[in-house]
Amino acid sequence: RKEVEQDPGPFNVPEGATVAFNCTYSNSASQSFFWYRQDCRKEPKLLMSVYSSGNEDGRFTAQLNRASQYISLLIRDSKLSDSATYLCVCTTGTASKLTFGTGTRLQVTL
Amino acid sequence: EPEVTQTPSHQVTQMGQEVILRCVPISNHLYFYWYRQILGQKVEFLVSFYNNEISEKSEIFDDQFSVERPDGSNFTLKIRSTKLEDSAMYFCASSEFEELFFGEGSRLTVL
Repeated sequence: RKEVEQDPGPFNVPEGATVAFNCTYSNSASQSFFWYRQDCRKEPKLLMSVYSSGNEDGRFTAQLNRASQYISLLIRDSKLSDSATYLCVCTTGTASKLTFGTGTRLQVTL
Repeated sequence: EPEVTQTPSHQVTQMGQEVILRCVPISNHLYFYWYRQILGQKVEFLVSFYNNEISEKSEIFDDQFSVERPDGSNFTLKIRSTKLEDSAMYFCASSEFEELFFGEGSRLTVL
């Protein structure tokens, strides 16, 4: 079983749509969770951390369910510039290795 | 805005040759990392480095690989006797606390 599993995508959505990505992780020792964004042939960049209480940053909302070992990312009012691959990432602690999912590709169209 | 810089951006080498990939982490960061991403695959952890020694390494990081911080600014990854399957994008990253900052990567092509 993969350590971090994601919907493979691609998700093709029109501008303005709401899209949700799911992720499950297998290591119950995971302590911190993140969503990273990766543009084609570029480096991963932190989008947001994910907390058990849920957190929101503008159009982006992340949720964590520790009991189900499930993480989600919701993007509202999609923009063309949101087109990228979204990486679900877990770690067992500060400065510990990041474990990446394979990513979900999002393509936002006119 | 401070950033992690990597050189070279692209290196082509013959199988069996040694390559050194260089990174300059963000200056006040204490933790340094190398990750790699084979084309079309996920980002994979190779090694983390703190206080001038390896703090964690993956199964990928075998005797073929080594890291060094030769001076106060550079952090290098050496790959000895390269194989075709070493072709990948290699990302350096650094952190002060939880957030990792990645460099733009060095693309290694082994022929």
